[in-house]
Amino acid sequence: SQTIHQWPATLVQPVGSPLSLECTVEGTSNPNLYWYRQAAGRGLQLLFYSIGIGQISSEVPQNLSASRPQDRQFILSSKKLLLSDSGFYLCAWSRRANEQFFGPGTRLTVL
Amino acid sequence: AQTVTQSQPEMSVQEAETVTLSCTYDTSESNYYLFWYKQPPSRQMILVIRQEAYKQQNATENRFSVNFQKAAKSFSLKISDSQLGDTAMYFCAFSSNNNDMRFGAGTRLTVKP
Repeated sequence: SQTIHQWPATLVQPVGSPLSLECTVEGTSNPNLYWYRQAAGRGLQLLFYSIGIGQISSEVPQNLSASRPQDRQFILSSKKLLLSDSGFYLCAWSRRANEQFFGPGTRLTVL
Repeated sequence: AQTVTQSQPEMSVQEAETVTLSCTYDTSESNYYLFWYKQPPSRQMILVIRQEAYKQQNATENRFSVNFQKAAKSFSLKISDSQLGDTAMYFCAFSSNNNDMRFGAGTRLTVKP
């Protein structure tokens, strides 16, 4: 069966510090991978998605970036965090247009 | 561009009663998928039900069923015999063959004892 992991679960970082959130998927190959951000009490905002190694599509211009160094690894990064980067970050995987399966999420607080 | 609209920010229902959550969407595509996700306080996103646009029959999963009206671009979720554990945020979502998914803003459902 397929599983998806995210870490860390929670993170508190100062403004201007770097960020690296990791997502890995097990039990499947060549999945589509996604990063979402969810502000408190709000819906999901798609940040990046990837259909293959090294292929990243950005939905929203911002100070975040994503990379896919391996087939089942998806990383969300920032060189300098902003206060507005605080939120709940969700990683998901899917097979083409089928349903997406979500990880447990990372709660990021930027102080 | 595809958009998904959930016009009910909050709803409540008494335990054991039935509630319907609304969702409309906009697309020019003919082949797509629709989903309802549940996000309990743990914030884990859980798939509740899915519907393929080419299927006319409404999807059903135990106490959860949908009313899919393709011409009206409407996709409502009915929860029968509501349980306290159904309390959560519910998100309607749309996906087509361009590899991304669009979510509505969500409806916060509270089941009251």
